[in-house]
Amino acid sequence: GAGVSQSPSNKVTEKGKDVELRCDPISGHTALYWYRQSLGQGLEFLIYFQGNSAPDKSGLPSDRFSAERTGGSVSTLTIQRTQQEDSAVYLCASSLGGRGFAGMNIQYFGAGTRLSVL
Amino acid sequence: AQSVTQLDSQVPVFEEAPVELRCNYSSSVSVYLFWYVQYPNQGLQLLLKYLSGSTLVKGINGFEAEFNKSQTSFHLRKPSVHISDTAEYFCAVSDLYRDDKIIFGKGTRLHILP
Repeated sequence: GAGVSQSPSNKVTEKGKDVELRCDPISGHTALYWYRQSLGQGLEFLIYFQGNSAPDKSGLPSDRFSAERTGGSVSTLTIQRTQQEDSAVYLCASSLGGRGFAGMNIQYFGAGTRLSVL
Repeated sequence: AQSVTQLDSQVPVFEEAPVELRCNYSSSVSVYLFWYVQYPNQGLQLLLKYLSGSTLVKGINGFEAEFNKSQTSFHLRKPSVHISDTAEYFCAVSDLYRDDKIIFGKGTRLHILP
């Protein structure tokens, strides 16, 4: 079956421009996560969607970052007025989701979008 | 709040030698523990997980990890590494009661020397 799909795989943009990154999770997965991976910084949690619940936005670094998930499936991460420090790999993951799954919430990751802000 | 510390950012090791990647966590509640691997230019994939039961967990590609509650550690080991093990390895923890959110360590890059 298809895994988590992210597009584009690479994005080069100019400082100040807006960008949209797309994530298509595994069919049937109700939970979706966005992470940012910067060199030497490891994996930084950004935002988490679970079903129809309000998203957990606690990891978003500034109000220039936002994300939505339409129809409980595809998600778009938007970065407005990009800055050079936004350059990183943005990873999306999905899982079966929900509490009470006894630790079976294994996250499945996409290959990521490498964002370069010039 | 939970946190994960991977003590080594990079570990060089000769091919066919053993390796241990260290991971310590802090949490006020019971936890689930994971190791993920990221090969070059790919996303992360699950290597192994500890949920309950035996403290020695075996994963894919000959890796294993041991959960040590008293030392709050979950070190990853392999008795003999191969060049194909070159990757970044992430330790992660989730709350037993909030297992939908996983906290990742900063990763350890494993370099296999010929």
